[in-house]
Amino acid sequence: QLQLQESGPGLVKTSETLSLTCNVSGDSISSRSYYWGWIRQPPGKGLEWIGHIYSSGTTFYSPSLKSRVAISVDAPKNQLSVRLSSVSAADTAVYYCAAFRGYMIDYWGQGTLVTVSS
Amino acid sequence: QSVLTQPPSVSGAPGQRVTISCTGSRSNIGAHYDVNWYQQLPGAAPKLLIYGNSNRPSGVPDRFSGSKSGPSASLAITGLQAEDEAVYYCQSFDGNLIGSVFGGGTKLTVL
Repeated sequence: QLQLQESGPGLVKTSETLSLTCNVSGDSISSRSYYWGWIRQPPGKGLEWIGHIYSSGTTFYSPSLKSRVAISVDAPKNQLSVRLSSVSAADTAVYYCAAFRGYMIDYWGQGTLVTVSS
Repeated sequence: QSVLTQPPSVSGAPGQRVTISCTGSRSNIGAHYDVNWYQQLPGAAPKLLIYGNSNRPSGVPDRFSGSKSGPSASLAITGLQAEDEAVYYCQSFDGNLIGSVFGGGTKLTVL
């Protein structure tokens, strides 16, 4: 049973970089059973795929965020990370890390709220 | 604007049956990618409810069922219970984006 736990600042200033980490337990993040990604949900709104990373290190990002986002894996620490640069109020959301299997999201973190404010 | 289209809300009385539709396009559901459904209870992370169009993970009651036809999919819930009140999201893969796409979510109210 996988467990995912997001962590990072709950408040980020406008134009700065949002950085979050997800601790993975229950399996190795290098396992080929899953690939890993981030999904966000603005308050009161729906889910938005941010991007994902395969065990090979290959990444895919949402076209709307591609110029500002980077997802990476720290295998020794069994951690997944996301960085989103030049944030604005529109980036305020609950950010979820996720374990993908096939085309489905098998496991979700509990989510962490990030508020962008000047 | 979500890539997959869902009705914003549905409602039903306890014991009744409701369905939630999810419509995509030729680059996602219509391209034969599987549809998955998630249930999000208030204040919680989404939880996988149906995967691979019609399969239930262990622990999901058989009151929940999924189907797919062409570029659309449906989630059916029979024998509605108060605890089913939640927001339901459909999700698939998009071959153009090389990533996941979601519906906008459907809020189910049990009257």
